[in-house]
Amino acid sequence: DTEVTQTPKHLVMGMTNKKSLKCEQHMGHRAMYWYKQKAKKPPELMFVYSYEKLSINESVPSRFSPECPNSSLLNLHLHALQPEDSALYLCASSQEVGSYEQYFGPGTRLTVT
Amino acid sequence: TQLLEQSPQFLSIQEGENLTVYCNSSSVFSSLQWYRQEPGEGPVLLVTVVTGGEVKKLKRLTFQFGDARKDSSLHITAAQPGDTGLYLCAGLGGNYGQNFVFGPGTRLSVLP
Repeated sequence: DTEVTQTPKHLVMGMTNKKSLKCEQHMGHRAMYWYKQKAKKPPELMFVYSYEKLSINESVPSRFSPECPNSSLLNLHLHALQPEDSALYLCASSQEVGSYEQYFGPGTRLTVT
Repeated sequence: TQLLEQSPQFLSIQEGENLTVYCNSSSVFSSLQWYRQEPGEGPVLLVTVVTGGEVKKLKRLTFQFGDARKDSSLHITAAQPGDTGLYLCAGLGGNYGQNFVFGPGTRLSVLP
């Protein structure tokens, strides 16, 4: 099983809302990632968690707040977003940070109005 | 910082034709991965190449890793409309050498 699941599939939120994106994997992977993908562009790394600890933050604004409650779950809390934050948000996991293969979830299509 | 380039950016072909897309870098990568992504979906891992000169086949898809491990190619034989999508190459790199660097992608359209 190489499945990474993400919820919700689609999300529309206003600039004053607070919402959360969720990601889950049951492959026993110890590294989990959040990516942002704008239309017609490749995924851009946002955060890396290794063994439930934040390992890399690619200078992401504080209106995005990641959380790793346990080794299978990864959340991304959203607050006071801007319309330019509208994008496809992808979660991925790998055996360890630096492993050759990452497995991606289907993504959450976020629209900020 | 390691960068990956892909060519062509866009490719539109008829069903049954063959095609090759390329992924190049000036840096050496310990491995390269190829993904296919359909609109609104996450990238799906197709293959990982690790050894310089390695060739891997996946049905009608043939992947090659350059001898110097700086480039890779994906060849599709007898393309089908179901092959349509964004093809991304990726390799371990970035500022920390611990996360994936993605190429900009090749957008393939196979017309029936």
